[in-house]
Amino acid sequence: AQSVTQLDSHVSVSEGTPVLLRCNYSSSYSPSLFWYVQHPNKGLQLLLKYTSAATLVKGINGFEAEFKKSETYFHLTKPSAHMSDAAEYFCVVSEWDTGRRALTFGSGTRLQVQP
Amino acid sequence: GAGVSQSPSNKVTEKGKDVELRCDPISGHTALYWYRQSLGQGLEFLIYFQGNSAPDKSGLPSDRFSAERTGGSVSTLTIQRTQQEDSAVYLCASSSTGGGNTEAFFGQGTRLTVV
Repeated sequence: AQSVTQLDSHVSVSEGTPVLLRCNYSSSYSPSLFWYVQHPNKGLQLLLKYTSAATLVKGINGFEAEFKKSETYFHLTKPSAHMSDAAEYFCVVSEWDTGRRALTFGSGTRLQVQP
Repeated sequence: GAGVSQSPSNKVTEKGKDVELRCDPISGHTALYWYRQSLGQGLEFLIYFQGNSAPDKSGLPSDRFSAERTGGSVSTLTIQRTQQEDSAVYLCASSSTGGGNTEAFFGQGTRLTVV
Protein backbone atom coordinates (compact mmCIF):
# COMPACT_ATOMS: atom_id res chain seq x y z
CA ALA A 1 0.00 0.00 0.00
CA GLN A 2 1.10 3.51 -0.59
CA SER A 3 0.48 6.72 1.26
CA VAL A 4 1.68 10.28 1.15
CA THR A 5 1.95 12.56 4.17
CA GLN A 6 2.57 16.25 3.88
CA LEU A 7 3.75 17.22 7.29
CA ASP A 8 2.60 20.84 7.28
CA SER A 9 -0.81 22.08 6.18
CA HIS A 10 0.42 25.68 6.19
CA VAL A 11 3.89 27.21 5.82
CA SER A 12 4.62 30.92 6.01
CA VAL A 13 7.92 32.44 4.95
CA SER A 14 9.24 35.90 4.23
CA GLU A 15 10.09 36.88 0.70
CA GLY A 16 13.72 36.07 -0.05
CA THR A 17 14.02 33.35 2.60
CA PRO A 18 14.28 29.60 1.93
CA VAL A 19 11.24 27.38 1.46
CA LEU A 20 10.94 23.82 2.78
CA LEU A 21 7.76 21.81 2.19
CA ARG A 22 7.94 18.35 3.69
CA CYS A 23 6.60 15.12 2.23
CA ASN A 24 6.95 11.59 3.55
CA TYR A 25 5.73 8.61 1.62
CA SER A 26 5.37 4.90 2.10
CA SER A 27 5.41 2.42 -0.73
CA SER A 28 6.06 -1.25 -1.18
CA TYR A 29 7.67 -0.61 -4.53
CA SER A 30 9.88 1.96 -6.17
CA PRO A 31 7.41 4.74 -6.84
CA SER A 32 7.50 7.75 -9.07
CA LEU A 33 7.15 10.97 -7.09
CA PHE A 34 5.87 14.35 -8.14
CA TRP A 35 5.25 17.81 -6.78
CA TYR A 36 2.34 19.78 -8.22
CA VAL A 37 1.41 23.41 -7.51
CA GLN A 38 -2.08 24.91 -7.56
CA HIS A 39 -2.40 28.68 -7.72
CA PRO A 40 -5.75 30.21 -6.77
CA ASN A 41 -8.36 29.65 -9.47
CA LYS A 42 -5.88 27.85 -11.66
CA GLY A 43 -5.27 24.23 -12.57
CA LEU A 44 -2.65 21.97 -11.06
CA GLN A 45 0.77 22.36 -12.65
CA LEU A 46 3.72 19.96 -12.46
CA LEU A 47 6.71 21.41 -10.62
CA LEU A 48 9.02 18.42 -10.83
CA LYS A 49 9.16 14.63 -10.83
CA TYR A 50 11.45 11.86 -9.61
CA THR A 51 11.59 8.63 -11.55
CA SER A 52 14.63 6.70 -10.22
CA ALA A 53 17.53 8.77 -11.48
CA ALA A 54 19.48 11.42 -9.56
CA THR A 55 18.51 12.01 -5.94
CA LEU A 56 18.26 15.77 -6.44
CA VAL A 57 15.56 16.74 -8.87
CA LYS A 58 15.34 20.21 -10.36
CA GLY A 59 12.00 21.68 -11.34
CA ILE A 60 10.54 24.87 -12.65
CA ASN A 61 10.73 28.29 -10.97
CA GLY A 62 13.83 27.41 -8.96
CA PHE A 63 12.27 24.55 -6.98
CA GLU A 64 14.18 21.38 -6.16
CA ALA A 65 13.40 18.16 -4.36
CA GLU A 66 15.67 15.67 -2.71
CA PHE A 67 14.72 12.01 -2.81
CA LYS A 68 15.86 9.93 0.17
CA LYS A 69 14.78 6.34 -0.31
CA SER A 70 16.34 5.24 2.97
CA GLU A 71 14.29 7.79 4.85
CA THR A 72 11.31 7.82 2.49
CA TYR A 73 11.01 11.54 2.10
CA PHE A 74 10.72 13.83 -0.91
CA HIS A 75 10.92 17.36 0.47
CA LEU A 76 10.47 20.38 -1.79
CA THR A 77 12.86 23.31 -1.41
CA LYS A 78 13.61 26.67 -2.91
CA PRO A 79 16.53 28.88 -1.84
CA SER A 80 14.65 32.16 -1.99
CA ALA A 81 10.89 32.60 -1.91
CA HIS A 82 9.08 34.98 -4.21
CA MET A 83 5.65 36.47 -3.68
CA SER A 84 4.41 34.58 -6.74
CA ASP A 85 5.22 31.26 -5.01
CA ALA A 86 2.19 31.66 -2.75
CA ALA A 87 0.00 28.68 -3.64
CA GLU A 88 -0.96 25.18 -2.54
CA TYR A 89 1.56 22.43 -3.13
CA PHE A 90 0.82 18.73 -3.47
CA CYS A 91 3.18 15.79 -3.12
CA VAL A 92 2.06 12.91 -5.36
CA VAL A 93 2.99 9.24 -5.60
CA SER A 94 2.54 6.86 -8.52
CA GLU A 95 2.94 3.10 -8.22
CA TRP A 96 2.35 2.32 -11.86
CA ASP A 97 4.34 -0.91 -11.92
CA THR A 98 2.00 -2.45 -9.37
CA GLY A 99 -0.93 -2.01 -11.75
CA ARG A 100 -2.32 0.85 -9.73
CA ARG A 101 -3.30 3.65 -12.08
CA ALA A 102 -4.34 6.28 -9.56
CA LEU A 103 -2.01 9.05 -8.57
CA THR A 104 -2.11 9.41 -4.78
CA PHE A 105 -2.09 13.00 -3.58
CA GLY A 106 -0.99 14.32 -0.24
CA SER A 107 -3.35 16.61 1.61
CA GLY A 108 -1.51 19.71 0.42
CA THR A 109 0.58 22.48 1.96
CA ARG A 110 -0.52 26.06 1.62
CA LEU A 111 2.50 28.35 1.24
CA GLN A 112 2.18 31.96 2.28
CA VAL A 113 4.91 34.43 1.36
CA GLN A 114 5.10 37.58 3.46
CA PRO A 115 6.58 40.76 2.01
CA GLY B 1 -6.97 23.61 -27.62
CA ALA B 2 -3.66 23.84 -25.85
CA GLY B 3 -4.76 22.40 -22.55
CA VAL B 4 -7.36 20.23 -20.85
CA SER B 5 -10.75 21.88 -21.10
CA GLN B 6 -13.60 21.24 -18.68
CA SER B 7 -17.17 22.41 -18.85
CA PRO B 8 -19.09 23.86 -17.24
CA SER B 9 -16.71 25.74 -14.96
CA ASN B 10 -19.45 26.04 -12.36
CA LYS B 11 -22.62 24.06 -11.85
CA VAL B 12 -25.31 24.52 -9.24
CA THR B 13 -27.90 21.78 -9.07
CA GLU B 14 -30.72 20.72 -6.82
CA LYS B 15 -30.40 17.65 -4.67
CA GLY B 16 -31.69 14.61 -6.51
CA LYS B 17 -30.97 15.91 -10.02
CA ASP B 18 -28.52 14.31 -12.42
CA VAL B 19 -25.49 16.22 -13.71
CA GLU B 20 -23.00 15.69 -16.52
CA LEU B 21 -19.50 17.10 -16.44
CA ARG B 22 -17.40 17.22 -19.59
CA CYS B 23 -13.68 16.93 -20.19
CA ASP B 24 -11.80 17.59 -23.43
CA PRO B 25 -8.27 16.22 -23.02
CA ILE B 26 -5.19 17.42 -24.83
CA SER B 27 -5.27 16.18 -28.41
CA GLY B 28 -3.39 12.90 -28.79
CA HIS B 29 -3.34 12.07 -25.09
CA THR B 30 -4.41 8.49 -24.57
CA ALA B 31 -4.78 8.52 -20.79
CA LEU B 32 -7.47 10.42 -18.89
CA TYR B 33 -8.19 10.76 -15.16
CA TRP B 34 -11.05 12.14 -13.12
CA TYR B 35 -10.39 13.40 -9.60
CA ARG B 36 -12.55 15.08 -6.99
CA GLN B 37 -11.21 17.85 -4.78
CA SER B 38 -13.20 18.76 -1.72
CA LEU B 39 -12.43 20.67 1.46
CA GLY B 40 -10.94 18.41 4.07
CA GLN B 41 -10.65 15.48 1.66
CA GLY B 42 -7.83 16.51 -0.65
CA LEU B 43 -7.74 15.06 -4.13
CA GLU B 44 -9.59 11.80 -4.51
CA PHE B 45 -9.11 9.51 -7.52
CA LEU B 46 -12.31 8.57 -9.30
CA ILE B 47 -11.61 6.82 -12.60
CA TYR B 48 -8.88 6.26 -15.20
CA PHE B 49 -9.14 5.62 -18.94
CA GLN B 50 -6.29 4.40 -21.17
CA GLY B 51 -6.93 3.99 -24.87
CA ASN B 52 -9.36 1.17 -25.57
CA SER B 53 -8.63 -0.68 -22.33
CA ALA B 54 -11.26 -1.24 -19.68
CA PRO B 55 -11.29 1.77 -17.35
CA ASP B 56 -10.05 1.60 -13.78
CA LYS B 57 -13.21 2.50 -11.86
CA SER B 58 -11.85 1.65 -8.44
CA GLY B 59 -12.23 5.18 -7.11
CA LEU B 60 -15.89 5.78 -7.93
CA PRO B 61 -17.58 6.36 -4.54
CA SER B 62 -20.97 4.88 -5.38
CA ASP B 63 -23.04 3.51 -8.23
CA ARG B 64 -24.49 6.98 -8.71
CA PHE B 65 -21.21 7.90 -10.37
CA SER B 66 -20.31 6.79 -13.88
CA ALA B 67 -18.03 7.98 -16.64
CA GLU B 68 -17.47 7.25 -20.27
CA ARG B 69 -14.96 8.23 -22.86
CA THR B 70 -16.15 8.31 -26.43
CA GLY B 71 -13.77 7.71 -29.30
CA GLY B 72 -10.80 7.81 -26.98
CA SER B 73 -11.15 11.56 -26.57
CA VAL B 74 -13.91 13.47 -24.79
CA SER B 75 -15.03 12.13 -21.43
CA THR B 76 -18.23 12.69 -19.49
CA LEU B 77 -18.63 12.15 -15.76
CA THR B 78 -22.25 11.62 -14.75
CA ILE B 79 -23.58 11.87 -11.22
CA GLN B 80 -27.12 10.63 -10.74
CA ARG B 81 -29.45 11.70 -7.93
CA THR B 82 -26.93 14.21 -6.62
CA GLN B 83 -26.43 14.58 -2.87
CA GLN B 84 -25.01 17.51 -0.93
CA GLU B 85 -21.85 15.53 -0.19
CA ASP B 86 -21.18 15.45 -3.94
CA SER B 87 -20.38 19.17 -3.79
CA ALA B 88 -16.72 19.51 -4.80
CA VAL B 89 -14.43 20.53 -7.61
CA TYR B 90 -14.17 17.79 -10.22
CA LEU B 91 -10.83 17.75 -11.99
CA CYS B 92 -9.93 16.05 -15.22
CA ALA B 93 -6.36 15.30 -16.31
CA SER B 94 -4.80 13.75 -19.37
CA SER B 95 -1.37 12.38 -20.14
CA SER B 96 0.34 11.35 -23.32
CA THR B 97 0.95 7.69 -22.60
CA GLY B 98 -0.33 6.94 -19.15
CA GLY B 99 2.96 5.64 -17.82
CA GLY B 100 3.83 5.96 -14.16
CA ASN B 101 6.31 8.75 -14.66
CA THR B 102 4.32 10.65 -17.27
CA GLU B 103 3.14 14.15 -16.42
CA ALA B 104 -0.59 14.54 -16.01
CA PHE B 105 -2.02 17.82 -17.28
CA PHE B 106 -4.99 19.07 -15.31
CA GLY B 107 -7.95 21.15 -16.34
CA GLN B 108 -9.24 23.97 -14.16
CA GLY B 109 -12.10 21.86 -12.93
CA THR B 110 -15.85 22.05 -12.60
CA ARG B 111 -17.11 23.39 -9.29
CA LEU B 112 -20.28 21.47 -8.44
CA THR B 113 -22.60 22.79 -5.77
CA VAL B 114 -25.60 20.70 -4.74
CA VAL B 115 -28.27 22.69 -2.94
